[in-house]
Amino acid sequence: NAGVTQTPKFQVLKTGQSMTLQCAQDMNHEYMSWYRQDPGMGLRLIHYSVGAGITDQGEVPNGYNVSRSTTEDFPLRLLSAAPSQTSVYFCASRFRGSNQPQHFGDGTRLSIL
Amino acid sequence: GDSVTQMEGPVTLSEEAFLTINCTYTATGYPSLFWYVQYPGEGLQLLLKATKADDKGSNKGFEATYRKETTSFHLEKGSVQVSDSAVYFCALMGRGTYKYIFGTGTRLKVLA
Repeated sequence: NAGVTQTPKFQVLKTGQSMTLQCAQDMNHEYMSWYRQDPGMGLRLIHYSVGAGITDQGEVPNGYNVSRSTTEDFPLRLLSAAPSQTSVYFCASRFRGSNQPQHFGDGTRLSIL
Repeated sequence: GDSVTQMEGPVTLSEEAFLTINCTYTATGYPSLFWYVQYPGEGLQLLLKATKADDKGSNKGFEATYRKETTSFHLEKGSVQVSDSAVYFCALMGRGTYKYIFGTGTRLKVLA
């Protein structure tokens, strides 16, 4: 019962490099989200998806792209890494409905030098 | 817009002490309310939830009551253990919306 799987767990990049953070869920959840967690700021929504082929921007979308070609996968792409994107990134998924809890992955710790 | 405010930490307690972590919210209508817990190096896990006024969510000895009149959802536990050391997040989801709104988190340290 894998739940939400994120890879890699740790990554160090140089400024200007690009990379993709992977997220996969095996619970057939319609909704998936990407958050970043920074000290003293809680979780901030980057992008989200309400189903395959449908994505939308969250609170802090600049510098990130997403796509949702399947129900299971929701990769997050950093186009040109900047030091301000140093953070811990969490992927989450849930069923449709206003009282449905979110299921989180264990996070990707990303450092941009 | 909707928002969640929770007490700043860290909160440091001795084992078996009583715990309260305050959470208040601003939202239109009747949101669903949640408490999540994050242990070191892990993602957030649902601790408890309440979906309507006066509901009490409970799990692992933790409780929180949805208070519409005071727009609050305070987390309580009667006797904390060292294993409860973690960061606790209060969150809401408004009716008819997709997005969760999280508080900034409260770190709890329990000393033996």
